[in-house]
Amino acid sequence: DTGVSQDPRHKITKRGQNVTFRCDPISEHNRLYWYRQTLGQGPEFLTYFQNEAQLEKSRLLSDRFSAERPKGSFSTLEIQRTEQGDSAMYLCASSLGPLEAFFGQGTRLTVV
Amino acid sequence: QQPVQSPQAVILREGEDAVINCSSSKALYSVHWYRQKHGEAPVFLMILLKGGEQKGHDKISASFNEKKQQSSLYLTASQLSYSGTYFCGTEISYNAGNMLTFGGGTRLMVKP
Repeated sequence: DTGVSQDPRHKITKRGQNVTFRCDPISEHNRLYWYRQTLGQGPEFLTYFQNEAQLEKSRLLSDRFSAERPKGSFSTLEIQRTEQGDSAMYLCASSLGPLEAFFGQGTRLTVV
Repeated sequence: QQPVQSPQAVILREGEDAVINCSSSKALYSVHWYRQKHGEAPVFLMILLKGGEQKGHDKISASFNEKKQQSSLYLTASQLSYSGTYFCGTEISYNAGNMLTFGGGTRLMVKP
């Protein structure tokens, strides 16, 4: 197992376009988290899945953000009508229950 | 719900010790510690699951006081490789389940 993988690693998009990111967790991990990180800040919680169920979603997350985890395997995070303020590193992490969470390398989004 | 870390930044000489604190206003199930180097994903250091538990490997150890909802990370005889930003993650109970949220980070710089 190669750990948590995210795709793409970098994405440059024009304002107003939609983008979708993918996260493949460690295979036996049932929890999957999405975070957003800007320069100099800690990872900001976006949403969390236990298997295929989306259990929590940050109140700070606008309706333009949506995430799925079909069949409890990989997950996708979609941002519709991107804005310049969406520019950030989007991190995915997975864990086996309440144990240690492992992060992917992230997807760096730049909205121009 | 985010934990609060202190100090925000530390500068050390090689061989000196440092303590990083993490506190939460909510009851904690566990505390996770991570180190992140510039341009990289956070790397897991250790998890503390029980109140009053201490853990450590090499010269990095941590304590978790469940009653006080606090954790501390201890770095002794610091090495140049310890430089980076340290994040504590706290697992708290939320609406539909537990979630893992992170503090703002403590930037540690170790100088020769």
